[in-house]
Amino acid sequence: AQKVTQAQTEISVVEKEDVTLDCVYETRDTTYYLFWYKQPPSGELVFLIRRNSFDEQNEISGRYSWNFQKSTSSFNFTITASQVVDSAVYFCALSEVVAGNMLTFGGGTRLMVKP
Amino acid sequence: DAEITQSPRHKITETGRQVTLACHQTWNHNNMFWYRQDLGHGLRLIHYSYGVQDTNKGEVSDGYSVSRSNTEDLPLTLESAASSQTSVYFCASAPGQGQYEQYFGPGTRLTVT
Repeated sequence: AQKVTQAQTEISVVEKEDVTLDCVYETRDTTYYLFWYKQPPSGELVFLIRRNSFDEQNEISGRYSWNFQKSTSSFNFTITASQVVDSAVYFCALSEVVAGNMLTFGGGTRLMVKP
Repeated sequence: DAEITQSPRHKITETGRQVTLACHQTWNHNNMFWYRQDLGHGLRLIHYSYGVQDTNKGEVSDGYSVSRSNTEDLPLTLESAASSQTSVYFCASAPGQGQYEQYFGPGTRLTVT
Protein backbone atom coordinates (compact mmCIF):
# COMPACT_ATOMS: atom_id res chain seq x y z
CA ALA A 1 0.00 0.00 0.00
CA GLN A 2 1.23 3.46 -0.83
CA LYS A 3 2.33 5.23 2.31
CA VAL A 4 2.13 8.76 0.98
CA THR A 5 -0.65 9.68 -1.41
CA GLN A 6 -0.90 12.89 -3.34
CA ALA A 7 -4.14 12.35 -5.19
CA GLN A 8 -3.87 15.52 -7.25
CA THR A 9 -1.40 14.81 -10.02
CA GLU A 10 -1.85 18.20 -11.66
CA ILE A 11 -3.48 21.48 -10.61
CA SER A 12 -3.87 24.59 -12.72
CA VAL A 13 -4.80 27.96 -11.22
CA VAL A 14 -4.72 31.57 -12.25
CA GLU A 15 -2.35 33.91 -10.50
CA LYS A 16 -3.59 35.28 -7.15
CA GLU A 17 -5.85 32.29 -6.56
CA ASP A 18 -5.37 30.27 -3.38
CA VAL A 19 -4.53 26.61 -3.88
CA THR A 20 -4.30 23.62 -1.54
CA LEU A 21 -2.16 20.58 -2.23
CA ASP A 22 -3.34 17.45 -0.46
CA CYS A 23 -1.15 14.85 1.21
CA VAL A 24 -2.45 11.76 2.97
CA TYR A 25 -0.08 9.36 4.68
CA GLU A 26 -0.24 5.94 6.24
CA THR A 27 1.85 4.79 9.17
CA ARG A 28 1.66 2.61 12.28
CA ASP A 29 4.52 4.46 13.88
CA THR A 30 3.77 6.88 16.70
CA THR A 31 6.88 8.94 16.00
CA TYR A 32 7.27 10.10 12.44
CA TYR A 33 8.14 13.17 10.42
CA LEU A 34 6.47 14.78 7.45
CA PHE A 35 8.12 16.95 4.84
CA TRP A 36 7.26 19.04 1.82
CA TYR A 37 9.71 19.62 -1.01
CA LYS A 38 9.41 21.83 -4.08
CA GLN A 39 10.85 20.93 -7.48
CA PRO A 40 10.80 23.94 -9.81
CA PRO A 41 11.20 23.54 -13.59
CA SER A 42 14.97 23.79 -13.15
CA GLY A 43 14.84 20.37 -11.51
CA GLU A 44 16.43 20.78 -8.10
CA LEU A 45 14.61 19.72 -4.94
CA VAL A 46 14.07 22.41 -2.36
CA PHE A 47 13.14 21.65 1.24
CA LEU A 48 10.09 23.62 2.43
CA ILE A 49 9.01 22.30 5.83
CA ARG A 50 9.35 19.50 8.36
CA ARG A 51 6.73 18.56 10.95
CA ASN A 52 6.97 15.88 13.65
CA SER A 53 4.06 13.71 14.72
CA PHE A 54 3.78 15.34 18.13
CA ASP A 55 3.33 18.84 16.83
CA GLU A 56 -0.05 19.45 15.22
CA GLN A 57 0.28 23.20 15.21
CA ASN A 58 -0.34 24.68 11.82
CA GLU A 59 2.50 26.67 10.37
CA ILE A 60 2.54 29.76 8.23
CA SER A 61 5.50 31.10 6.32
CA GLY A 62 4.62 34.08 4.18
CA ARG A 63 2.15 32.91 1.55
CA TYR A 64 2.68 29.26 2.49
CA SER A 65 0.78 27.45 5.21
CA TRP A 66 0.56 23.85 6.30
CA ASN A 67 -2.29 22.03 8.02
CA PHE A 68 -1.35 18.84 9.87
CA GLN A 69 -4.24 16.70 11.10
CA LYS A 70 -3.39 13.36 12.70
CA SER A 71 -7.07 12.42 12.88
CA THR A 72 -7.27 12.29 9.11
CA SER A 73 -3.57 11.45 8.49
CA SER A 74 -3.22 14.52 6.33
CA PHE A 75 -0.57 17.18 5.90
CA ASN A 76 -1.95 19.67 3.42
CA PHE A 77 -0.12 22.62 1.91
CA THR A 78 -1.82 25.88 0.96
CA ILE A 79 -0.40 28.65 -1.17
CA THR A 80 -2.22 31.95 -0.75
CA ALA A 81 -2.33 34.42 -3.61
CA SER A 82 -0.38 32.12 -5.92
CA GLN A 83 2.28 33.50 -8.22
CA VAL A 84 3.76 32.23 -11.46
CA VAL A 85 6.99 31.46 -9.59
CA ASP A 86 5.07 28.92 -7.52
CA SER A 87 4.75 26.71 -10.61
CA ALA A 88 6.55 23.51 -9.70
CA VAL A 89 6.09 19.92 -8.67
CA TYR A 90 5.51 19.58 -4.95
CA PHE A 91 6.33 16.42 -3.04
CA CYS A 92 5.11 15.31 0.34
CA ALA A 93 7.30 12.78 2.17
CA LEU A 94 7.16 10.64 5.30
CA SER A 95 9.97 9.46 7.57
CA GLU A 96 9.16 6.63 9.98
CA VAL A 97 11.32 5.44 12.86
CA VAL A 98 10.29 1.82 12.27
CA ALA A 99 11.48 2.08 8.67
CA GLY A 100 14.92 3.31 9.69
CA ASN A 101 13.88 6.90 9.11
CA MET A 102 13.97 6.57 5.36
CA LEU A 103 12.05 9.13 3.35
CA THR A 104 9.04 7.80 1.45
CA PHE A 105 7.80 10.24 -1.16
CA GLY A 106 4.37 10.73 -2.62
CA GLY A 107 3.97 10.84 -6.38
CA GLY A 108 4.01 14.62 -6.46
CA THR A 109 1.54 17.30 -7.54
CA ARG A 110 2.36 19.49 -10.52
CA LEU A 111 1.11 23.02 -9.90
CA MET A 112 0.77 25.36 -12.84
CA VAL A 113 0.07 29.00 -12.07
CA LYS A 114 -1.02 30.96 -15.11
CA PRO A 115 -0.66 34.74 -15.35
CA ASP B 1 29.69 27.35 1.02
CA ALA B 2 28.96 23.71 1.70
CA GLU B 3 27.20 21.91 -1.10
CA ILE B 4 26.32 18.62 -2.73
CA THR B 5 27.32 18.01 -6.33
CA GLN B 6 26.63 15.29 -8.86
CA SER B 7 28.48 14.36 -12.02
CA PRO B 8 27.91 13.99 -14.81
CA ARG B 9 24.71 16.02 -15.11
CA HIS B 10 23.74 14.22 -18.30
CA LYS B 11 24.85 10.81 -19.53
CA ILE B 12 23.90 8.65 -22.47
CA THR B 13 25.09 5.07 -22.41
CA GLU B 14 24.39 1.78 -24.14
CA THR B 15 22.65 -1.24 -22.75
CA GLY B 16 25.03 -3.55 -20.93
CA ARG B 17 27.68 -0.98 -20.09
CA GLN B 18 28.79 -0.23 -16.55
CA VAL B 19 28.08 3.33 -15.47
CA THR B 20 29.11 5.20 -12.33
CA LEU B 21 27.40 8.35 -11.14
CA ALA B 22 29.33 10.50 -8.69
CA CYS B 23 27.97 12.28 -5.62
CA HIS B 24 30.10 14.56 -3.44
CA GLN B 25 29.04 16.59 -0.41
CA THR B 26 31.04 19.04 1.65
CA TRP B 27 28.74 19.25 4.68
CA ASN B 28 30.45 16.36 6.43
CA HIS B 29 27.09 14.61 6.69
CA ASN B 30 27.11 10.99 7.79
CA ASN B 31 23.97 10.01 5.91
CA MET B 32 23.84 9.85 2.13
CA PHE B 33 21.14 8.56 -0.22
CA TRP B 34 20.49 7.79 -3.86
CA TYR B 35 17.04 8.13 -5.42
CA ARG B 36 15.63 7.76 -8.89
CA GLN B 37 12.80 9.89 -10.16
CA ASP B 38 10.36 8.56 -12.74
CA LEU B 39 7.04 9.98 -13.90
CA GLY B 40 4.21 8.82 -11.69
CA HIS B 41 6.51 7.35 -9.03
CA GLY B 42 7.91 10.37 -7.27
CA LEU B 43 11.35 9.60 -5.85
CA ARG B 44 12.28 6.05 -4.92
CA LEU B 45 15.19 5.10 -2.72
CA ILE B 46 17.92 3.00 -4.35
CA HIS B 47 20.67 2.77 -1.72
CA TYR B 48 21.69 4.63 1.39
CA SER B 49 24.60 4.90 3.78
CA TYR B 50 24.82 5.95 7.43
CA GLY B 51 28.58 6.33 7.40
CA VAL B 52 31.90 5.13 6.02
CA GLN B 53 31.84 1.45 5.09
CA ASP B 54 28.08 1.30 5.70
CA THR B 55 25.70 0.69 2.77
CA ASN B 56 22.10 -0.49 2.66
CA LYS B 57 19.58 -1.43 0.00
CA GLY B 58 16.54 0.68 -0.62
CA GLU B 59 13.25 0.02 -2.35
CA VAL B 60 14.64 -0.35 -5.89
CA SER B 61 18.22 -1.58 -5.46
CA ASP B 62 18.36 -4.36 -8.09
CA GLY B 63 21.01 -3.60 -10.70
CA TYR B 64 22.69 -0.90 -8.60
CA SER B 65 25.54 -0.84 -6.10
CA VAL B 66 27.23 1.78 -3.91
CA SER B 67 30.36 1.99 -1.82
CA ARG B 68 31.32 4.45 0.90
CA SER B 69 35.06 4.81 1.42
CA ASN B 70 34.94 8.33 2.86
CA THR B 71 32.40 10.73 4.33
CA GLU B 72 32.15 12.99 1.30
CA ASP B 73 31.40 10.56 -1.53
CA LEU B 74 28.78 7.94 -2.39
CA PRO B 75 29.18 6.79 -6.01
CA LEU B 76 26.32 4.84 -7.59
CA THR B 77 27.22 2.09 -10.05
CA LEU B 78 24.93 0.49 -12.58
CA GLU B 79 26.57 -2.88 -13.13
CA SER B 80 25.03 -3.53 -16.56
CA ALA B 81 22.82 -0.68 -17.68
CA ALA B 82 19.31 -1.50 -18.85
CA SER B 83 16.75 0.66 -20.64
CA SER B 84 14.56 0.46 -17.53
CA GLN B 85 17.26 2.41 -15.69
CA THR B 86 16.73 5.48 -17.85
CA SER B 87 15.79 8.03 -15.22
CA VAL B 88 16.82 11.10 -13.30
CA TYR B 89 19.04 10.24 -10.35
CA PHE B 90 19.29 12.36 -7.23
CA CYS B 91 21.82 12.13 -4.47
CA ALA B 92 21.02 13.53 -1.03
CA SER B 93 22.69 13.93 2.34
CA ALA B 94 21.55 14.61 5.89
CA PRO B 95 23.32 15.22 9.21
CA GLY B 96 21.28 12.56 10.99
CA GLN B 97 18.24 10.38 10.75
CA GLY B 98 14.53 10.96 10.90
CA GLN B 99 13.85 14.54 11.82
CA TYR B 100 16.57 15.98 9.63
CA GLU B 101 15.72 17.21 6.17
CA GLN B 102 17.74 15.81 3.32
CA TYR B 103 19.69 18.12 1.05
CA PHE B 104 19.55 17.14 -2.60
CA GLY B 105 22.06 17.42 -5.40
CA PRO B 106 21.10 18.85 -8.80
CA GLY B 107 20.41 15.44 -10.35
CA THR B 108 21.86 13.36 -13.18
CA ARG B 109 19.76 12.56 -16.22
CA LEU B 110 20.75 9.11 -17.47
CA THR B 111 19.59 7.69 -20.78
CA VAL B 112 20.25 4.04 -21.62
CA THR B 113 19.88 3.27 -25.32
